[in-house]
Amino acid sequence: GAVVSQHPSWVICKSGTSVKIECRSLDFQATTMFWYRQFPKQSLMLMATSNEGSKATYEQGVEKDKFLINHASLTLSTLTVTSAHPEDSSFYICSAKEIARYEQYFGPGTRLTVT
Amino acid sequence: GESVGLHLPTLSVQEGDNSIINCAYSNSASDYFIWYKQESGKGPQFIIDIRSNMDKRQGQRVTVLLNKTVKHLSLQIAATQPGDSAVYFCAPTGTASKLTFGTGTRLQVTL
Repeated sequence: GAVVSQHPSWVICKSGTSVKIECRSLDFQATTMFWYRQFPKQSLMLMATSNEGSKATYEQGVEKDKFLINHASLTLSTLTVTSAHPEDSSFYICSAKEIARYEQYFGPGTRLTVT
Repeated sequence: GESVGLHLPTLSVQEGDNSIINCAYSNSASDYFIWYKQESGKGPQFIIDIRSNMDKRQGQRVTVLLNKTVKHLSLQIAATQPGDSAVYFCAPTGTASKLTFGTGTRLQVTL
């Protein structure tokens, strides 16, 4: 149980284009989903928290107009990187949790490369 | 804000030996703690958790110890195997539900 998937697992896009990453909880209802980014040999950095049906809460320094997050259902959240630039290249990871539980389960990550 | 640190950034252990990975945290309001394992190019994998009203919890080959007095956690892995090689993170959390990840400890298992 507690499986979280991400799609795509990797993507290469050209500078200036937008990329959408999906995060799905496969066997539980995720009332809250989190988006992280991770640079090589570094820890995970929380970007935003999204609750189903509500606007996402972004961490300080994360541009909400650049990283659009939608959590329209209890099993799906999407992160759209708009007008991507090479500095947006990173490993993006989502996690999900059920209501009233602490445990967060992570997806396998999406490697984004912007050329 | 919360600071989470690990005492040993890299730990080398011989196959079959026991591993101990340590973690210090600063926020005394943290009431739930999770250990994650992250292999290269993959997302973190849940290993074991412990609530603040406990001081020890055992899983399969893993044991987590919590000392709230000194704000310290440890993850013990028994009979370490090559497949245990990864980066390990402790992640305290509380009512805000956010996890705080430290820098991680790389566990290298030598044959």
